[in-house]
Amino acid sequence: EVKLVESGGGLVQPGGSLRLSCGASGFAFSNFYMSWVRQAPGKGLEYVAIIEEDGSHQYYVASVTGRFTISRDDAKNSVYLQMNTLKVEDTGTYYCARGRFLTGFDAWGQGTLVTVSS
Amino acid sequence: QSVLTQPPSVSAAAGQKVTISCSGSNSNIGRDYVSWYQQLPGTAPKLLIFQDDQRPSGIPDRFSGSKSGTSATLAITGLQTGDEADYYCGAWDRALSGGLFGGGTKLTVL
Repeated sequence: EVKLVESGGGLVQPGGSLRLSCGASGFAFSNFYMSWVRQAPGKGLEYVAIIEEDGSHQYYVASVTGRFTISRDDAKNSVYLQMNTLKVEDTGTYYCARGRFLTGFDAWGQGTLVTVSS
Repeated sequence: QSVLTQPPSVSAAAGQKVTISCSGSNSNIGRDYVSWYQQLPGTAPKLLIFQDDQRPSGIPDRFSGSKSGTSATLAITGLQTGDEADYYCGAWDRALSGGLFGGGTKLTVL
């Protein structure tokens, strides 16, 4: 069974940092693009970042470029999202997803809530 | 405001058919594949359609996707109350070098 489990969310003040983790199991992790998608409370989905199978390229939505970094550790079957200089508008549920837009995001975690507030 | 435009809501009676549109441009839908996602209340999204019209294993053939030019459509036949959810389209945008989701469409089954 394909499984993705996010962790690391929580309450942080504006300007602060958080590191989200996503552990994967049930598939050959190193063969897949991995992505982060977020959803503000009561709002729609927003693509955040994508990392290629070999980690050689990363892509970000413009609003997080320079502040967020996606990375992966294939030995640990994990993908990460380092979030710095957090803003109130970064508040939302962050989902880890397998895949990319070309092939579709075919597996999702349960999400982890990030709240940026003073 | 999303660059992929979906109607905020659609509704139809149980057993009937409904279509949800997703309108984009030549830099996204017109040049790249579209995928569709279902998000039931309080749950993570689920892939329904990928590469415009392909269904993942386990997705019933009541769900179908199509694309023409810069617009895509999700069709659901034989509506069931369990289909009440938010539906999102998604595509890569080559001009932005980034991904896009539509604003989402809330389906109500009457």
